[in-house]
Amino acid sequence: AQSVTQLGSHVSVSEGALVLLRCNYSSSVPPYLFWYVQYPNQGLQLLLKYTSAATLVKGINGFEAEFKKSETSFHLTKPSAHMSDAAEYFCAVNQDSSYKLIFGSGTRLLVRP
Amino acid sequence: SQTIHQWPATLVQPVGSPLSLECTVEGTSNPNLYWYRQAAGRGLQLLFYSVGIGQISSEVPQNLSASRPQDRQFILSSKKLLLSDSGFYLCAWRSVGYGYTFGSGTRLTVV
Repeated sequence: AQSVTQLGSHVSVSEGALVLLRCNYSSSVPPYLFWYVQYPNQGLQLLLKYTSAATLVKGINGFEAEFKKSETSFHLTKPSAHMSDAAEYFCAVNQDSSYKLIFGSGTRLLVRP
Repeated sequence: SQTIHQWPATLVQPVGSPLSLECTVEGTSNPNLYWYRQAAGRGLQLLFYSVGIGQISSEVPQNLSASRPQDRQFILSSKKLLLSDSGFYLCAWRSVGYGYTFGSGTRLTVV
């Protein structure tokens, strides 16, 4: 079965600092991986996705993620945090055979002024 | 363009009352549809998914049920709500390229 682990339920960074949100996956087949962002009381918005093309994936709002098969990781990064980046971030893996999306437990990003 | 509508946005219901949340999709046909629940301080839990009219798969045993009476309509229901049914409910559909598009969610508080 596929699963996703997000390390750190809360991450705090200063405005302008590097953002690194960690995600490790478990999958017996090549996975499709996603990062979503959720602002309070809103639905989830897709940031970026990996679908077996380029291993470095660029998304919206300056975020990017790198697929590393050897480390089974798909960490999300942004060079310089902005106050508007404060939100909850979810990593997810597609269980392709049944088209189900399995989510990690989420990481809340806090940006300090 | 494809859009997904979910309503109501907020709902407060007494214990033991019925529930009906509706989700509709526009601009696509025969979508895969999903209901997720997000309890306070927890991640997203897949409740139901549907690959076609009348086809419902349940992921976890619970007090809720789902129906798909039309191709682009997905309904989440309960006959008698429990306190533990409180949470943020999200509808989603699976779009081209394996991405999922989510509705804006329904905040359900059972009192």
